[in-house]
Formats: sequence, C-alpha cells, structure tokens
Amino acid sequence: DAKTTQPTSMDCAEGRAANLPCNHSTISGNEYVYWYRQIHSQGPQYIIHGLKNNETNEMASLIITEDRKSSTLILPHATLRDTAVYYCIVRVGDNYGQNFVFGPGTRLSVLP
Amino acid sequence: DGGITQSPKYLFRKEGQNVTLSCEQNLNHDAMYWYRQDPGQGLRLIYYSQIVNDFQKGDIAEGYSVSREKKESFPLTVTSAQKNPTAFYLCASSITGGALDTQYFGPGTRLTVL
Repeated sequence: DAKTTQPTSMDCAEGRAANLPCNHSTISGNEYVYWYRQIHSQGPQYIIHGLKNNETNEMASLIITEDRKSSTLILPHATLRDTAVYYCIVRVGDNYGQNFVFGPGTRLSVLP
Repeated sequence: DGGITQSPKYLFRKEGQNVTLSCEQNLNHDAMYWYRQDPGQGLRLIYYSQIVNDFQKGDIAEGYSVSREKKESFPLTVTSAQKNPTAFYLCASSITGGALDTQYFGPGTRLTVL
C-alpha cells in the first residue's frame, strides 16, 4: 500500500499562501491523491483530489509532480480559519471501503 | 440540510459497559464508515458498509460491532471487549463506497470511559 509522509507542523502568515508538501514515493499509477483537513474536534473536511494533472477548486490548488512521487496543497490566501490538521491521503487498492488511510497529517497554524 | 449527524457529541461511560454511538445520514449515500482517532494520531478504520445488511471489518474491528439495517443509519457499539475505548469516533459516508468516492464526515463523538 502506498503511504504518505508530511511535515508534522507548519506556520503561515495570514493572507499569504500556505504550501503544504506531501511525499508519496510508492504511489501506483492508478492511485489518486486526496487532501482533507480537520479543525480541532470536528470531522475531516474534503478539500481536493487529483491523479496526475494539477487541480484547482474554490478552496485550494493541488500540484502533483510529473513523476507523481510528491504533491503540494496550496491555500492561496490563508486565513485564521484555515488553522487545522491537513491530511494527504493516497487511495489504496481497488476494493471498496478500505481505501482511505489517514496518517498524522500536518498541523498548519495561520498566524495573524 | 443534507449531511451526517452523530450523537451525542460527548459521551461518558463506566468501564465494562457497552455503548452505542449513533450515525445518521440523509445524503442517500450507499456506503458508510466508522473511524477512530486518538490524540495526535490519524484516523483508523473500524468498520465499513457498502450496502444495507452488509458490512466489513476495517483495520481495528476487535471490540466493536455494527449493524446496517437501514440505508440512513450505521450505529457502532463499543463493547466491553475493547481494551482502550476512550477516543474520538468519526462516521463518514460516500455515494457508493467506490475507490474514487469522496468521503464526507460527521462531527464526531468523543467517548470517555471512566
């Protein structure tokens, strides 16, 4: 199963872009990269996902390297409400159900 | 509003008692999941269900049981056999349970066993 590694924590100034890296060097060709975030004591919130092309939605952008061994989640203008733990997840396997493995994530602190 | 509800938000129980956590969704999703989260840790899958009257064990199913009698509901029972039940429990659902489905999470229940 592919696994991810992320920095334990990061700081970002309010209004600046937050760039959160993720390494997934053993990712398979048909596995997607998902990003979720979790604000303290709440359920995780879906942010974005992608396969190999860069993706953008109203929340964030996802940049995946050409070799797909790493990716970066970009929050273009971080606000205090973006303070959360961010999880980079690789879909494992082709079966239903056991397809999301959440690691410890990156704790992002947006500072005023 | 469509969504996933979990109740209660906080739950306290004495050691040795079984306790059932509620999870309801009105998203018309086929698949539902239960995760456990310990402080500073990621989420670990307990059980999942792709369809009514069917469910599968996740990575840490020992000491837990579930039922899926209705599409909207997926209650989790934490039994006395679970050695360390104090944790934050999260329920999620997805449209079909397929590998590309996004999972949507409820607000969670924090269980404390005294």
